[in-house]
Amino acid sequence: KQEVTQIPAALSVPEGENLVLNCSFTDSAIYNLQWFRQDPGKGLTSLLLIQSSQREQTSGRLNASLDKSSGRSTLYIAASQPGDSATYLCAVRPQGAQKLVFGQGTRLTINP
Amino acid sequence: NAGVTQTPKFRILKIGQSMTLQCTQDMNHNYMYWYRQDPGMGLKLIYYSVGAGITDKGEVPNGYNVSRSTTEDFPLRLELAAPSQTSVYFCASSYSSSLGLSGNTIYFGEGSWLTVV
Repeated sequence: KQEVTQIPAALSVPEGENLVLNCSFTDSAIYNLQWFRQDPGKGLTSLLLIQSSQREQTSGRLNASLDKSSGRSTLYIAASQPGDSATYLCAVRPQGAQKLVFGQGTRLTINP
Repeated sequence: NAGVTQTPKFRILKIGQSMTLQCTQDMNHNYMYWYRQDPGMGLKLIYYSVGAGITDKGEVPNGYNVSRSTTEDFPLRLELAAPSQTSVYFCASSYSSSLGLSGNTIYFGEGSWLTVV
């Protein structure tokens, strides 16, 4: 059974720092991995989607990497801003499954 | 630019009552999903649909029912509400050209907050 873990559960950093959020999964047989952002009281917004054949994806100040063999993904946020404060979730789509398996999320706070 | 629309946003139910959470999408996506999110937890899949007339159970289907009569709509029915169903419910949709492909970005609605008392 696929399990996704995100550590730490919460992270607080000063504005301007570069930071890395971690995601690990137990089964490397995946179609893709997706990072989402969730603001309080809101739904999830997709940030980056990495297909299983890819190593990384970039969007603006965000860079997500995927190491399928080790079951790890990282989300790198450069030059963090208070507006980046949110909960970040990663999710994998297992091969042969029509669903996403989510981690519990990392609640990120950027302090001005 | 509606995307995925869920109603109601908030609802309080008494134990044993029934209700339907509505979900509609205007992106012509074939896949639709219902997830629930409990505090501090990730999302758990309740039901999903790969197209009109086809639905299947997810990880936590007990106490829920769904139907998919059109491509656009995917309502979630709670028949006999229980306190364990207090949660935030998210509807989502995506497009895949056929089963087994890697799939595309999934889009979420803004959520429905349900409290059962």
